[in-house]
Amino acid sequence: SYVLTQPPSVSVAPGQTARITCGGNNIGDKSVHWYLQKPGQAPVLVVYDDSDRPSGIPERFSGSNSGNTATLTISRVEAGDEADYYCQVWDSSRDHYVFGTGTKVTVL
Amino acid sequence: QVHLVQSGADVKKPGSSVKVSCKASGGTSSNYAISWVRQAPGQGLEWMGGIIPLFGTANYAQRFQGRVTITTDESTSTTYMELSSLRSDDTAVYYCARVVGWAFEYWGQGTLVTVSS
Repeated sequence: SYVLTQPPSVSVAPGQTARITCGGNNIGDKSVHWYLQKPGQAPVLVVYDDSDRPSGIPERFSGSNSGNTATLTISRVEAGDEADYYCQVWDSSRDHYVFGTGTKVTVL
Repeated sequence: QVHLVQSGADVKKPGSSVKVSCKASGGTSSNYAISWVRQAPGQGLEWMGGIIPLFGTANYAQRFQGRVTITTDESTSTTYMELSSLRSDDTAVYYCARVVGWAFEYWGQGTLVTVSS
C-alpha cells in the first residue's frame, strides 16, 4: 500500500516559516492535498492540487511537490496556525485515498 | 455554501452495528463523491470508503471490506455509513466529506461512536 510519511512534530516561532514535509514514493507524480485540524474540530482543506488554495485560506499557506517529497509551507506563522497537519493523495493503483501520518505544529 | 450535517454521537455494544448519516445541503450534491474518514482517539485520519450519489456505486478501503456499507438516499441528499461487527478499537470520530477533484473540500462536524460493553 502507498505510504505517506510526515514528521511527528514541527516547532516554529511566531513570524517565522514552518515547513512540513510529506514523503512518498514518486509523490511528485500525484496531486497532494493538505489539511489542518485543530483540537475537537473537523479537518480544513488548506492546499489542494499541490499548491492551490481554497477561497478564504491565507496566502501564507503554500505548497510544492517534486520527486519523493511534498511540502506545505506556512509563512509568517501565527499562534492560530497551531494545529495538526495532514497530507493526502489518491492512490490510483488501489482506488484508495491515503492520508499522511500527521504533523503537530507548535508555535513557540 | 455546502453544509454536511451528521447524526449525533452513539454508544454501541461490541459485535453490534452502527449507522451514521450525513445530510448535504447547498450545491448540487449528487454529482460529487462523499467519503467517510475516521479518527480514533489521539490518532490520525483514516479513509474508510466513499460513494458517488449520482451513480450509487461505493468503494471501500481494504481493511474495512466486508464490514462497512455506504449508501445514499438521493431524495434526501443523505449518505449513510454502516459499520458492523463493532470492536472496541472502532471507537472513533467518524467524518463524512465531500470530494472535489481528489481533495476533501467540505467536512461534516463528526460523529463520535463509542464501542463499549
